[in-house]
Amino acid sequence: AQRVTQPEKLLSVFKGAPVELKCNYSYSGSPELFWYVQYSRQRLQLLLRHISRESIKGFTADLNKGETSFHLKKPFAQEEDSAMYYCALSRSSNTGKLIFGQGTTLQVKP
Amino acid sequence: EPEVTQTPSHQVTQMGQEVILRCVPISNHLYFYWYRQILGQKVEFLVSFYNNEISEKSEIFDDQFSVERPDGSNFTLKIRSTKLEDSAMYFCATKRDLSSGEAFFGQGTRLTVV
Repeated sequence: AQRVTQPEKLLSVFKGAPVELKCNYSYSGSPELFWYVQYSRQRLQLLLRHISRESIKGFTADLNKGETSFHLKKPFAQEEDSAMYYCALSRSSNTGKLIFGQGTTLQVKP
Repeated sequence: EPEVTQTPSHQVTQMGQEVILRCVPISNHLYFYWYRQILGQKVEFLVSFYNNEISEKSEIFDDQFSVERPDGSNFTLKIRSTKLEDSAMYFCATKRDLSSGEAFFGQGTRLTVV
């Protein structure tokens, strides 16, 4: 069965500190991995996908197939990064549905 | 920038009543989805819809649920006889195609069953 696990419900850091939001997945095939973000009172929006291998708002995420992980990292957190972050998996060549992790609330303190 | 629009933003209904949640997809998108999030829990997939038919549904999506796109614009989720446990945030999402990867979400409808 496909599953996405985000072990931390809440991650609280000070501004300027490094951030790592953990995501592990279980899937036997070749998944597509995503990070979605939900800022306060806004809709879910795509932050990153592993295929594009880009950095968005200073965040990066590398797919590690050996460890089945897709951790989200940022070297220096900003207050505006405070939000709910969801890791999600999609099976390639399928209906495109997303399987979400439980979400991690990132709180960046001044 | 085009957005997925959901109405209403909040719906309160009595147990046993029927509700219809509406979603206006982005105009050139072909793949449509409903997800729900019970308070304090993860976002869960309900159903996917393509070419005017359901392409996949989860175990949650039982006979009480149905989806349709009757007029080529609105994509609706109907719950025939609501239960207390149907109280949740319901999200509509759409994709242009499967290769693009990105799903665009609506702002959600909060359904409260009393």
